[in-house]
Amino acid sequence: NAGVTQTPKFQVLKTGQSMTLQCAQDMNHEYMSWYRQDPGMGLRLIHYSVGAGITDQGEVPNGYNVSRSTTEDFPLRLLSAAPSQTSVYFCASSYSGLKGHSPLHFGNGTRLTVT
Amino acid sequence: EDQVTQSPEALRLQEGESSSLNCSYTVSGLRGLFWYRQDPGKGPEFLFTLYSAGEEKEKERLKATLTKKESFLHITAPKPEDSATYLCAVGSNDYKLSFGAGTTVTVRA
Repeated sequence: NAGVTQTPKFQVLKTGQSMTLQCAQDMNHEYMSWYRQDPGMGLRLIHYSVGAGITDQGEVPNGYNVSRSTTEDFPLRLLSAAPSQTSVYFCASSYSGLKGHSPLHFGNGTRLTVT
Repeated sequence: EDQVTQSPEALRLQEGESSSLNCSYTVSGLRGLFWYRQDPGKGPEFLFTLYSAGEEKEKERLKATLTKKESFLHITAPKPEDSATYLCAVGSNDYKLSFGAGTTVTVRA
């Protein structure tokens, strides 16, 4: 089992560029989510999905888009990168997600720098 | 608004020196308190879930306890491999999960 796989591990963008962060899980989890982690702050939820075709906004959704066409994949798109989006991004999945609060399984993150 | 505060921010221990980490929270109906361990350059790894006051969970040198307002993660006789950042998160009735900023533990041999 690979668990939750994120690519790329590192990325440098210029202001205004767009890109997609990839996330895939092989545990057949219904729930998937994206967090960002900044120094001195807790993980903050960007977007989440409770199943294929269903997505919703989290705490800090502005500047990001998501889609969920399959159970396995949950890509995060940065539409027009800004320096404020410099962060470490984590994808996480769980069996029942927020409904049952089952534990999250995290990927190893994508470290993004926007110059 | 749900709030999770972890203290201290950093903790330096000598190998074998037991200590405790604190996670205080305010939440609109607790649906679970979670502890995670995060190593540098890695994603958080699940340790424990606690659901009600008085509950305790143990794993090797770690023991988590829960009251109505806070949770403690006790590290007994720590070893250098226990060095990591420990994250606390709470789930609430509105199905949100709120994370604290973490406590970074360094255990010296």
